[in-house]
Amino acid sequence: AQTVTQSQPEMSVQEAETVTLSCTYDTSESNYYLFWYKQPPSRQMILVIRQEAYKQQNATENRFSVNFQKAAKSFSLKISDSQLGDTAMYFCAFITYNNNDMRFGAGTRLTVKP
Amino acid sequence: DAGVIQSPRHEVTEMGQEVTLRCKPISGHNSLFWYRQTMMRGLELLIYFNNNVPIDDSGMPEDRFSAKMPNASFSTLKIQPSEPRDSAVYFCASSLRGGSGNTIYFGEGSWLTVV
Repeated sequence: AQTVTQSQPEMSVQEAETVTLSCTYDTSESNYYLFWYKQPPSRQMILVIRQEAYKQQNATENRFSVNFQKAAKSFSLKISDSQLGDTAMYFCAFITYNNNDMRFGAGTRLTVKP
Repeated sequence: DAGVIQSPRHEVTEMGQEVTLRCKPISGHNSLFWYRQTMMRGLELLIYFNNNVPIDDSGMPEDRFSAKMPNASFSTLKIQPSEPRDSAVYFCASSLRGGSGNTIYFGEGSWLTVV
């Protein structure tokens, strides 16, 4: 079975500081993709960043970067220079090459404080 | 480019009534997903289609729920009869399997309240 675990239900960070959200997953597959989605109060699911498992280089999108540790099955999200608009639920997700069933973690509620 | 389009955005209905949620996936995408989000259960995959064919409906909670995809540009999720515990946000999403890393793009969701 493929599972995704986010162990931090809630986190907070001061504006302009850096925060890291944790995610671990479990799979027997070797080829897969990992994602972080953001869900603001509007409830829209917004793709933040994507990582292919075969790539060793960590993905980066502006202030968002990941630390992908394949052996440890860990995929954390780092948000630098946090902004008030980053306040949202963040979901880690996982999908294999062969299966179209994307699995989501339970989410981490991030609050950026002014 | 138009994203995934869902309707209605909000619906309030009485218990026992039929509810139909609609979805237009991103043009060119070959996979479509229906998710449900509640506080208690988080994001749950209800069903997904590849090339208009249902592949996995094991997440559909019970026979009151049904989903169809008559063509590549339209899908419906129907609840009949609806119950208060069906109140949730229902997301439709689509992807191009084998492209863009199988990235799934979500619609804005349909907020359903059953009273």
